[in-house]
Amino acid sequence: EPEVTQTPSHQVTQMGQEVILRCVPISNHLYFYWYRQILGQKVEFLVSFYNNEISEKSEIFDDQFSVERPDGSNFTLKIRSTKLEDSAMYFCASGGELTDTQYFGPGTRLTVL
Amino acid sequence: DQQVKQNSPSLSVQEGRISILNCDYTNSMFDYFLWYKKYPAEGPTFLISISSIKDKNEDGRFTVFLNKSAKHLSLHIVPSQPGDSAVYFCAASEGTSYGKLTFGQGTILTVHP
Repeated sequence: EPEVTQTPSHQVTQMGQEVILRCVPISNHLYFYWYRQILGQKVEFLVSFYNNEISEKSEIFDDQFSVERPDGSNFTLKIRSTKLEDSAMYFCASGGELTDTQYFGPGTRLTVL
Repeated sequence: DQQVKQNSPSLSVQEGRISILNCDYTNSMFDYFLWYKKYPAEGPTFLISISSIKDKNEDGRFTVFLNKSAKHLSLHIVPSQPGDSAVYFCAASEGTSYGKLTFGQGTILTVHP
């Protein structure tokens, strides 16, 4: 069964450093998403991406964040200058017009020191 | 942001019995609802969904009920199995399955053998 994959599974970085989280969505999906879950809190929407552009973003998704689909398979989330409060589990998801859900990857745990 | 609420942090059930997980929402624009299951160190896994034109949807042991007037939905698992032990998240979107999802806090279900 096709699945969403994410790398790395765990990323440790120093405050102020740039990080790139990578995702390979399910191949025939057209909608791509990033969500995050801070420890003990809800899963929160960050951004959705369709047709090579951002379709919606949350208040969390400020100028420090960017997304890109550099080729036909990868979908990345970049945080330019990480803060302590960016420490969270980041989930990538994908969906298609014929699917009834968004399919989530296993997540990347980001730890900012 | 309390648009989707799961008021029970945990639920304990005996194997073979029914598990009932509840979810309330406040945003009347929500018209598509999903339940996800999550194991530790994994991403959310889709279980079942329902659109606002229905009041019930069944898939095997899982049934979701929607009461639009009360802005309430519930997930019934019958019979419950130990492998069902996980965190269950209710989520909602405006319009379609590929809109942004707003999640509840989750309910930890423990099914005892």
